[in-house]
Amino acid sequence: GIQVEQSPPDLILQEGANSTLRCNFSDSVNNLQWFHQNPWGQLINLFYIPSGTKQNGRLSATTVATERYSLLYISSSQTTDSGVYFCAVNRAGKSTFGDGTTLTVKP
Amino acid sequence: GAGVSQTPSNKVTEKGKYVELRCDPISGHTALYWYRQSLGQGPEFLIYFQGTGAADDSGLPNDRFFAVRPEGSVSTLKIQRTERGDSAVYLCASSPRGGGGTDTQYFGPGTRLTVL
Repeated sequence: GIQVEQSPPDLILQEGANSTLRCNFSDSVNNLQWFHQNPWGQLINLFYIPSGTKQNGRLSATTVATERYSLLYISSSQTTDSGVYFCAVNRAGKSTFGDGTTLTVKP
Repeated sequence: GAGVSQTPSNKVTEKGKYVELRCDPISGHTALYWYRQSLGQGPEFLIYFQGTGAADDSGLPNDRFFAVRPEGSVSTLKIQRTERGDSAVYLCASSPRGGGGTDTQYFGPGTRLTVL
């Protein structure tokens, strides 16, 4: 099956700093989503981004499908950004998640 | 409108017992997905429904696991003869069209299953 690797596994930032999270995948996919899992376990959609670039406030994402990677940018981080960020790729209905990046933003 | 809901939120059972986990998708969503998440890992795909039929059940770990979606809306994940290794958070998601994974999935809050 498809392999999904996320890096870094852990990231600690000071409030206000910027960060880049990476997701590499091993094969062509139908779509890619970025999620934020909050401390209560809820997975929150950030981006549906099979290709190209999208922005939503302080967050933006870029997927280069031909090179099989996606990047999530967080600017001016806030303590509420803390949690685990997952990317998930989908092929023919079956989604494969990476193991996530755990982000801790310190005040 | 309401999001994806799952019941119960927590379930504690004894080894060998049978459990049912319920998922109510977003109204009108055609596709429904079940995942299992263990501590420190990403969700792991179990099964995907397109309407009433299971389009892909390749993620079900063994024949103790079964899922149904008889009317194309609510789905039930059934686990027979539970084992301690089944302990995890079971997540459900739905998407408007499915169609091979070409649209956004929306997740429920999950059911935390603990097998003693």
